[in-house]
Amino acid sequence: DGGITQSPKYLFRKEGQNVTLSCEQNLNHDAMYWYRQDPGQGLRLIYYSQIVNDFQKGDIAEGYSVSREKKESFPLTVTSAQKNPTAFYLCASSVSGGGPQHFGDGTRLSIL
Amino acid sequence: KQEVTQIPAALSVPEGENLVLNCSFTDSAIYNLQWFRQDPGKGLTSLLLIQSSQREQTSGRLNASLDKSSGRSTLYIAASQPGDSATYLCAVGASGGSNYKLTFGKGTLLTVNP
Repeated sequence: DGGITQSPKYLFRKEGQNVTLSCEQNLNHDAMYWYRQDPGQGLRLIYYSQIVNDFQKGDIAEGYSVSREKKESFPLTVTSAQKNPTAFYLCASSVSGGGPQHFGDGTRLSIL
Repeated sequence: KQEVTQIPAALSVPEGENLVLNCSFTDSAIYNLQWFRQDPGKGLTSLLLIQSSQREQTSGRLNASLDKSSGRSTLYIAASQPGDSATYLCAVGASGGSNYKLTFGKGTLLTVNP
């Protein structure tokens, strides 16, 4: 079955630690996106990539970094510079910019 | 800056009722609009996508309309079922291609009671 896989489902971060969230898709989609969802809030865009080896900052990129070395993979690193990282993180992909976005099941990040 | 508002924030209806969820946006220069469903603790499922040149899209019991000039979209759910209970999110897309980005509303939490 084609889809988007996010791992881990739950993640805990210690103070000063960087953590990496995994996102893999086997849909052969060019575009991939990372969103953050806080309780009672809509999704906010962190980073997006329309093609391998290229990505752009979204609305809340500070304290986060990404890479896009392969079409299938778009990992997100939450750095120690992100002072309020507790949230639900969602990865999405689409055939191209403007198409229906398909989402993974998310990673819930908490602070220890 | 695009702002997306969804009303109501929560809605509870008896099974079998037809219902309408509302979405409004401040900048009418949109590329398309997407409606999603989110179950608790899960990711989003795409329901309908309406291009800026279209007026409506239908899928099964769902019908979404778009009035770009007034900055409004509605999601109509016919003959609601308990399995329709979820949060419904509206998202507006600006600029196609490499600059495409979605701006989301906060969602409407729908409960369909048996």
